[in-house]
Amino acid sequence: TQLLEQSPQFLSIQEGENLTVYCNSSSVFSSLQWYRQEPGEGPVLLVTVVTGGEVKKLKRLTFQFGDARKDSSLHITAAQPGDTGLYLCAGQETSGSRLTFGEGTQLTVNP
Amino acid sequence: EPEVTQTPSHQVTQMGQEVILRCVPISNHLYFYWYRQILGQKVEFLVSFYNNEISEKSEIFDDQFSVERPDGSNFTLKIRSTKLEDSAMYFCASRRQRSTDTQYFGPGTRLTVL
Repeated sequence: TQLLEQSPQFLSIQEGENLTVYCNSSSVFSSLQWYRQEPGEGPVLLVTVVTGGEVKKLKRLTFQFGDARKDSSLHITAAQPGDTGLYLCAGQETSGSRLTFGEGTQLTVNP
Repeated sequence: EPEVTQTPSHQVTQMGQEVILRCVPISNHLYFYWYRQILGQKVEFLVSFYNNEISEKSEIFDDQFSVERPDGSNFTLKIRSTKLEDSAMYFCASRRQRSTDTQYFGPGTRLTVL
């Protein structure tokens, strides 16, 4: 089983600030997905990145997949209180199709 | 937009009892999954299912667990004799076909074993 380390685990910032969340592994993933999860609910997909070096933008969110497909980052510009939530990265293993999840980043954006 | 659905949303059971968790994957998806998330911990893979058979399972998925696709729409997870440590959120997921296709998750079933 491949491991995926996500950091930071907790992040509390003021509205308008920028932030970056990282997911790192020593293993290669065939794709990487970012989800957002609200308490008591299932993960909701934000984006899937597949190609090494790929960058995808979703409004104020920018996702990047590392060139070697071992790491990824999520950058939020001008964070808003509505961005508060748990962000999860999940890598699809190259052998088989299981997703390996990171521990999650609990983001709090204070007004 | 099509979505994965799960029932029940919350199941409370006594230790040693059998439970069946139900999922309806997205209709044109071919691969189905169960994951679980113990409170405060990360989401963990249990099993994947394709073409009416298990394609991969984790070390968590022991003999007390089984999966089935009894008809063309439902996908079930059965836990034969529940233990206290089975208390968790159980998520069903499905994906279309290609290995790089996204896995879409259902809202989960919260299982509480007393």
